[in-house]
Amino acid sequence: DSGVTQTPKHLITATGQRVTLRCSPRSGDLSVYWYQQSLDQGLQFLIQYYNGEERAKGNILERFSAQQFPDLHSELNLSSLELGDSALYFCASSVEGNSGNTIYFGEGSWLTVV
Amino acid sequence: GENVEQHPSTLSVQEGDSAVIKCTYSDSASNYFPWYKQELGKGPQLIIDIRSNVGEKKDQRIAVTLNKTAKHFSLHITETQPEDSAVYFCAASKNNFNKFYFGSGTKLNVKP
Repeated sequence: DSGVTQTPKHLITATGQRVTLRCSPRSGDLSVYWYQQSLDQGLQFLIQYYNGEERAKGNILERFSAQQFPDLHSELNLSSLELGDSALYFCASSVEGNSGNTIYFGEGSWLTVV
Repeated sequence: GENVEQHPSTLSVQEGDSAVIKCTYSDSASNYFPWYKQELGKGPQLIIDIRSNVGEKKDQRIAVTLNKTAKHFSLHITETQPEDSAVYFCAASKNNFNKFYFGSGTKLNVKP
């Protein structure tokens, strides 16, 4: 158990809908990352937050947004969902947000868009 | 940006044999290289990492080597066991933002 908690574990929703994925980082970790894993794309970095502020952005679609709250938990919002958004979404956390900090992954949230 | 390539995509070995997975990276500024093991239905778990000031690191049956000149690093698993069967990912990070670039993964199958 990495200490990173993600909810929900599984989610099935229809195209056009909006969902929110939640992540609680490891105790003491200030930085949160979101990754998308699909069969043909591997692990794709979406976005990073550090102590409530956006730190780095990757291949995150405009339909997706995220935030990190004062208690350091984070939420990833996915809207106007498309079939291609079906994937495993991982949250990870690290103590700091600088290079060389080990990141620890949660168990992921399986999103199926039908 | 950084590009991390990983080979092979699948690897099948007999129990007790060694397994080697190789990754190359493109950006010489990358300075931290972790390896993750992902079992079916679970999140990636860190198994070993290496920083750019070290050429080799070992932890029991697992070792990682880094060649900065050639920009490649490798994972070595000796005396493989069936429980080593999983997907392994290499990654590289650089700069101050801890942005990780992952390889495409290697599915390791250890046959009993």
